[in-house]
Amino acid sequence: GAGVSQSPSNKVTEKGKDVELRCDPISGHTALYWYRQSLGQGLEFLIYFQGNSAPDKSGLPSDRFSAERTGGSVSTLTIQRTQQEDSAVYLCASTPATHNTDTQYFGPGTRLTVL
Amino acid sequence: SQQGEEDPQALSIQEGENATMNCSYKTSINNLQWYRQNSGRGLVHLILIRSNEREKHSGRLRVTLDTSKKSSSLLITASRAADTASYFCATDALAGGTSYGKLTFGQGTILTVHP
Repeated sequence: GAGVSQSPSNKVTEKGKDVELRCDPISGHTALYWYRQSLGQGLEFLIYFQGNSAPDKSGLPSDRFSAERTGGSVSTLTIQRTQQEDSAVYLCASTPATHNTDTQYFGPGTRLTVL
Repeated sequence: SQQGEEDPQALSIQEGENATMNCSYKTSINNLQWYRQNSGRGLVHLILIRSNEREKHSGRLRVTLDTSKKSSSLLITASRAADTASYFCATDALAGGTSYGKLTFGQGTILTVHP
């Protein structure tokens, strides 16, 4: 079946602009995670959605970052007033388990470059 | 900071040899997972080992977990050029006896297998 998809695959933007990154999880998966991978920080957790519960935003690096998940499916990560340090690959993952203790299935990522 | 620390940072071997990568972590975990990444993009799940397991096999992969030492190892036997990639361990930490699937990744090991 279809895996996790992300769009765009690459995004180049100018400093100060807002960007939106999209994630389509595997159908039926209840939990969705955003991570980012940057040269200096490795892979970092950003935010986690589980069903209709309030998201766990504990990994978001600043209030310029926000995310939503509509209808328990598609998620959008928004970065406002982008900075050069936001340049990274943003990865989305989903998992089917209600207790979120199982394998996470990752999308191909969005490579964000802030000029 | 990254919970998982991996060594070596880079490993270069000949085809047919075995490759061993190690991962250490700091907190109590629900499970530990190993992922592979090609060309800095999507992560592919390799194997998951739960905290009550000590060893697990999947094809040419063997993973061990020592919770007393907070360490894990990934062994790839009879390596192939196609195994060339970055390998990451990721821990699903326990918080108050519960885990939420927020993975904490190590810095990764870059494996190069020469034909």
